Amino acid sequence: QVELQESGPGLVKPSETLSLTCTVSGDSISSSDYYWGWIRQPPGKGLEWIGNIYFTGHTNYKPSLESRVTISVDTSRTQFSLRMFSLTAADTAVYYCARFGREAVGGYYFYYYMDVWGKGTTVTVSS
Amino acid sequence: EIVLTQSPGTLSLSPGEGATLSCRASQSVSSNFLAWYQQRPGQAPRLLIYGASSRATGIPDRFSGSGSGTDFTLTISRLEPEDFAVYYCQQYDSSPPTYTFGQGTKLEIK
Repeated sequence: QVELQESGPGLVKPSETLSLTCTVSGDSISSSDYYWGWIRQPPGKGLEWIGNIYFTGHTNYKPSLESRVTISVDTSRTQFSLRMFSLTAADTAVYYCARFGREAVGGYYFYYYMDVWGKGTTVTVSS
Repeated sequence: EIVLTQSPGTLSLSPGEGATLSCRASQSVSSNFLAWYQQRPGQAPRLLIYGASSRATGIPDRFSGSGSGTDFTLTISRLEPEDFAVYYCQQYDSSPPTYTFGQGTKLEIK
């Protein structure tokens, strides 16, 4: 049974950099069947996709966050990571990592739904 | 960017009743790349439906999804106490790859 677990600091100062790691167990992060990514949820609000990554290192990012975000993968440690720069209070949220499942359409694979989620980690941006 | 609008914002029903949740997209969702999630308080979201109508592994058959193009529906028949939660729809656009969520519908006990 695949499980995802986020880890990282709960408190970050404004203008600093957030670093989070997601550890995958029970599945191979090098599988061609999935992308792996990050979603966040500000307090009392909805869900926002941040970005995702394939085991090869190919990434997709939300355009409005792309300049401040880097996602990387370490297949040897079955982990992938999020770095977000120049934090402000608006980045305060629960951060989830998730596995992105795929479906074949017209001979191509599309990784479009999040079928396994971590429990989430709360990040507060405050001085 | 495709915007998803969910309605109603809050739905008040009793256990045993049926629920119908709506998700409307600002543009057509290609290939029905539309998913539904359930989020209980203090928990991570859980995938219910993908491909607009396919139930995820382990999801009871009282949950069903339908729709295409710009209009999608999540139907829950015979509400159980554990079904009272917030529900989100989510779409995928491949050019470029982006994922957007609706604002959520809160299903509460009447």
